[in-house]
Amino acid sequence: DAGITQSPRHKVTETGTPVTLRCHQTENHRYMYWYRQDPGHGLRLIHYSYGVKDTDKGEVSDGYSVSRSKTEDFLLTLESATSSQTSVYFCAISGRLDTQYFGPGTRLTVL
Amino acid sequence: TQLLEQSPQFLSIQEGENLTVYCNSSSVFSSLQWYRQEPGEGPVLLVTVVTGGEVKKLKRLTFQFGDARKDSSLHITAAQPGDTGLYLCAEDNYGQNFVFGPGTRLSVLP
Repeated sequence: DAGITQSPRHKVTETGTPVTLRCHQTENHRYMYWYRQDPGHGLRLIHYSYGVKDTDKGEVSDGYSVSRSKTEDFLLTLESATSSQTSVYFCAISGRLDTQYFGPGTRLTVL
Repeated sequence: TQLLEQSPQFLSIQEGENLTVYCNSSSVFSSLQWYRQEPGEGPVLLVTVVTGGEVKKLKRLTFQFGDARKDSSLHITAAQPGDTGLYLCAEDNYGQNFVFGPGTRLSVLP
């Protein structure tokens, strides 16, 4: 299994609070991704990174920001969480553009 | 923006039956991946197909890439309860990232 972890695995927070999710890899892969998964929508890309300090927006980036200061860490921040951001968040890594490895997911509930 | 469609959306079958699920795109794939996701876990890569007409086998699973590289299928022979899960296809989005289909949720009953 690819060395990819996510923390926390579960979080419950209140509307308006900031939330940061962490993705950590030990594979030294160049590409890292954040997705959210919701019933009926499948996996939707939030942001991705193609190197340290190099990030770009995905399909559903509004309300989210990311940072990547080290190869191994990719942080996803919800500046002011809303109930619509209740979801399961997956981080993925890729060493080349035809293969992705996913983390175990973070289940976020915004009350 | 590329759009991926998967069919059927849901499939419930008895153990031992065969099944096929499909993935179709609005444009030509550069490469296509199939994943299986079990409840509470992240998707796990099953296979990557690149060449039009390509066929890959993984035990009881057979993956086919259409000649025109706009469609793909996954055939499972003699399905088992362990095959239960969400099957996702994903394509390379012009070398920048990946686009996922909505998935086919398979349930294999013992």
